[in-house]
Amino acid sequence: QKEVEQDPGPLSVPEGAIVSLNCTYSNSAFQYFMWYRQYSRKGPELLMYTYSSGNKEDGRFTAQVDKSSKYISLFIRDSQPSDSATYLCAMSGGGNRDDKIIFGKGTRLHILP
Amino acid sequence: SAVISQKPSRDICQRGTSLTIQCQVDSQVTMMFWYRQQPGQSLTLIATANQGSEATYESGFVIDKFPISRPNLTFSTLTVSNMSPEDSSIYLCSVGFARAYEQYFGPGTRLTVT
Repeated sequence: QKEVEQDPGPLSVPEGAIVSLNCTYSNSAFQYFMWYRQYSRKGPELLMYTYSSGNKEDGRFTAQVDKSSKYISLFIRDSQPSDSATYLCAMSGGGNRDDKIIFGKGTRLHILP
Repeated sequence: SAVISQKPSRDICQRGTSLTIQCQVDSQVTMMFWYRQQPGQSLTLIATANQGSEATYESGFVIDKFPISRPNLTFSTLTVSNMSPEDSSIYLCSVGFARAYEQYFGPGTRLTVT
């Protein structure tokens, strides 16, 4: 079983819909959970991070972590064509700068105008 | 945050040759990393580039194949040596700050080996 599992998609949804992106993981030591967004031919950019379980909201984006189920989600409300990108989940055991980050494979998202 | 540039942005190379990728940051940073992103695969850490000392390589990556230099706090290079088609990938450098989750990535170098 891989440490982080993420459906690669592609996922196509109409503009304005709510998008749900998910990852599962196997290592219970993970404490920090991140979502990165990667546009075509660009490097990943940090979208949000969450510590331990719970929800975090930033504008149209909501990150959820359920450590009991080892399941994390990213919700995008009122999706826009500019949200079309690959979304990578990522996790780290600690918050120190030399703690390794484990990435999912990424989900390609297409928002249809 | 940090602004990171990479050179070249892309290259097509022949089997058996080597390519050196440069990473330049607009501010001094302690932690610099090199990643590989292969089609359909997770972003994978190759090594941590340490200023003034040898890089720290992850399992499956060796210095002879991926030599790294870090001459100062704003610059690093990654060389992909004796290339084969399996080395075709996107190579990304990133920088880290106080917290592990706070990493910023360069735009990547798209390498194709024929």
